Amino acid sequence: GENVGLHLPTLSVQEGDNSIINCAYSNSASDYFIWYKQESGKGPQFIIDIRSNMDKRQGQRVTVLLNKTVKHLSLQIAATQPGDSAVYFCAEVGASGNTGKLIFGQGTTLQVKP
Amino acid sequence: EAQVTQNPRYLITVTGKKLTVTCSQNMNHEYMSWYRQDPGLGLRQIYYSMNVEVTDKGDVPEGYKVSRKEKRNFPLILESPSPNQTSLYFCASAPLPGTGGHEQYFGPGTRLTVT
Repeated sequence: GENVGLHLPTLSVQEGDNSIINCAYSNSASDYFIWYKQESGKGPQFIIDIRSNMDKRQGQRVTVLLNKTVKHLSLQIAATQPGDSAVYFCAEVGASGNTGKLIFGQGTTLQVKP
Repeated sequence: EAQVTQNPRYLITVTGKKLTVTCSQNMNHEYMSWYRQDPGLGLRQIYYSMNVEVTDKGDVPEGYKVSRKEKRNFPLILESPSPNQTSLYFCASAPLPGTGGHEQYFGPGTRLTVT
């Protein structure tokens, strides 16, 4: 079946360093890819998305890279801060041409050491 | 304040007793969706709705029903809950997919325990 997965369940980084969270997906027909952040006890929060016709998109301190050749998505967080500690999920939208359907990865826990 | 609200936030019930979890959004979003979150399995989509009176199955629809009679509300119905439906449930809303993005706004979650 369709699957969106993350390479590492937990990532630990030093405050101030850059973080890279990876995601693999299997459906090349997806329209969008999205990154969400989920803090403990809260619902997921949108971070950034990227359309399938783009390779890179930048936001504030975050960059998402999409490599369609190897079906790989990454989220880069610059100058990681303690407030970035959370679980990060990637999701693909529009698998099989169905724009309402989302498939989430299992999540990577980012731990920021002071 | 733009938000998605869910009620109840916590619910303990018994097998077979019908229940409804309400979801409401005040952003005039066309799209709404329900997810369940389980340890080790991440978020899985139950049902979604692209607009009023339009609903579609997600990946795990069995045992659930939804309705979308109004744009702002998208209740999740468990006709006969079972222990395997014990989970954390999230409702989300977004502008119509494909109109420029898919930024979903999530509710605070409903923790359901079925004994």
